[in-house]
Amino acid sequence: DSGVTQTPKHLITATGQRVTLRCSPRSGDLSVYWYQQSLDQGLQFLIQYYNGEERAKGNILERFSAQQFPDLHSELNLSSLELGDSALYFCASSVPAGGPGNEQFFGPGTRLTVL
Amino acid sequence: AQSVAQPEDQVNVAEGNPLTVKCTYSVSGNPYLFWYVQYPNRGLQFLLKYITGDNLVKGSYGFEAEFNKSQTSFHLKKPSALVSDSALYFCAVSAVGYSTLTFGKGTMLLVSP
Repeated sequence: DSGVTQTPKHLITATGQRVTLRCSPRSGDLSVYWYQQSLDQGLQFLIQYYNGEERAKGNILERFSAQQFPDLHSELNLSSLELGDSALYFCASSVPAGGPGNEQFFGPGTRLTVL
Repeated sequence: AQSVAQPEDQVNVAEGNPLTVKCTYSVSGNPYLFWYVQYPNRGLQFLLKYITGDNLVKGSYGFEAEFNKSQTSFHLKKPSALVSDSALYFCAVSAVGYSTLTFGKGTMLLVSP
C-alpha cells in the first residue's frame, strides 16, 4: 500500500457527461501528479500540483482540469467525455520537495469507462 | 525534451534464469532514472532509482539496474527470476529543470515455471 488513495475505483458513464476523480496524497507529500494510462497511449502525464499551485502541465486536454485543495487532496475533472477517454487514471504523490530526483508513489487508480 | 525507449514489448524467461529488461533514454543534462513495476489492476510501485554515484543500483525484490552513460541505458536485471516477478515494468527519466517523469511504454515480463 503506497499511502495514496483514489476514489472511486471504477466509474462508468456516458459520452458527454462530466466526472470528478479524487486523490489523497501520502501524509506530508505536497506534490500530486495525474496520469492517464491506456492501451494505445501508454502512461501519459497530465498535470502536476505542488502545494495548491499548478507546477507542470503535460498532455492534458482542455476538457480536463484539476485542482489541489488546502488539505492537499486533488481532484481531476473530466468533462464532455468521449469514448476515447476510457482509461485508467492514476494519481501519484512525492516527498515534499517534489523535485526531479524524488520517486513518485502511485495510487491504485480509477478505471473510467465511457459508454 | 526527454524520452525513454523500452525496445521490447515482452520478455520471456524461465524461473531461476537471469532476466534483463532494457531501457534507453534521452535527456538534456544528467539524468535521474527510475524503474517501476505494475501488477494487474494495481498502481505502479517504485523499484529503484539512479541519481548519482555508483552505476549499479540495487532496489526492491532483488532487482538491480546498471546505468551506462555512454550508451544512455539503464537496464533492469535480476540474477534469478521468480514466477511472481511476472508484471509490467516501466522505465522513467527526469532531469534537473524537470519536475515530472517521462515513462517508457512498458515491458511485460513473463516468467514461466
